Amino acid sequence: DAKTTQPPSMDCAEGRAANLPCNHSTISGNEYVYWYRQIHSQGPQYIIHGLKNNETNEMASLIITEDRKSSTLILPHATLRDTAVYYCIVRVDPGGGADGLTFGKGTHLIIQP
Amino acid sequence: NAGVMQNPRHLVRRRGQEARLRCSPMKGHSHVYWYRQLPEEGLKFMVYLQKENIIDESGMPKERFSAEFPKEGPSILRIQQVVRGDSAAYFCASSPHRQGLEKLFFGSGTQLSVL
Repeated sequence: DAKTTQPPSMDCAEGRAANLPCNHSTISGNEYVYWYRQIHSQGPQYIIHGLKNNETNEMASLIITEDRKSSTLILPHATLRDTAVYYCIVRVDPGGGADGLTFGKGTHLIIQP
Repeated sequence: NAGVMQNPRHLVRRRGQEARLRCSPMKGHSHVYWYRQLPEEGLKFMVYLQKENIIDESGMPKERFSAEFPKEGPSILRIQQVVRGDSAAYFCASSPHRQGLEKLFFGSGTQLSVL
């Protein structure tokens, strides 16, 4: 799996958009970008994933650069409950199941009231 | 539809004792994964099981750790003769298929503390 690089922490004001960057410069053509988050004392929760097109769901938007070397997760209107560690993972899918999957240290997003 | 259930939520053991962690996957999920999260670290894969079979245990320590997922009942992660370094949060996840990380659901974890 391609290695990812994320800032260790970020702050965002409540109600504003939170933009979380992720670098994955060694990503392969068949690798997807996945985002998970882990709220304190809970297990990780899937947010969104994409291959090369931008994606949006009820939780967030995912913007992937044209060269696919980086991506940004956007939480459009952050709330205090969005305070969590956000993980960016690159994984081959199908074929790359959750076995062998490792989460890095992610970005600790703190939403300020 | 209940989510992935893990118990106990907190487990305290003295050095040398055994720890048994239980995980009931979501209904309809036959694939179970165990992960360990050390303090201030990310989650690391331990073992992948599919009903009655261990598919991938490449992340399991070679000694003292074992896992099972019987035909009936929850998956069990067993740690024998625990040591202080085993103190961590242990998470279980389940999915209906092997592929598709978007269908991977995690439990709330078991926090193991070894005194």
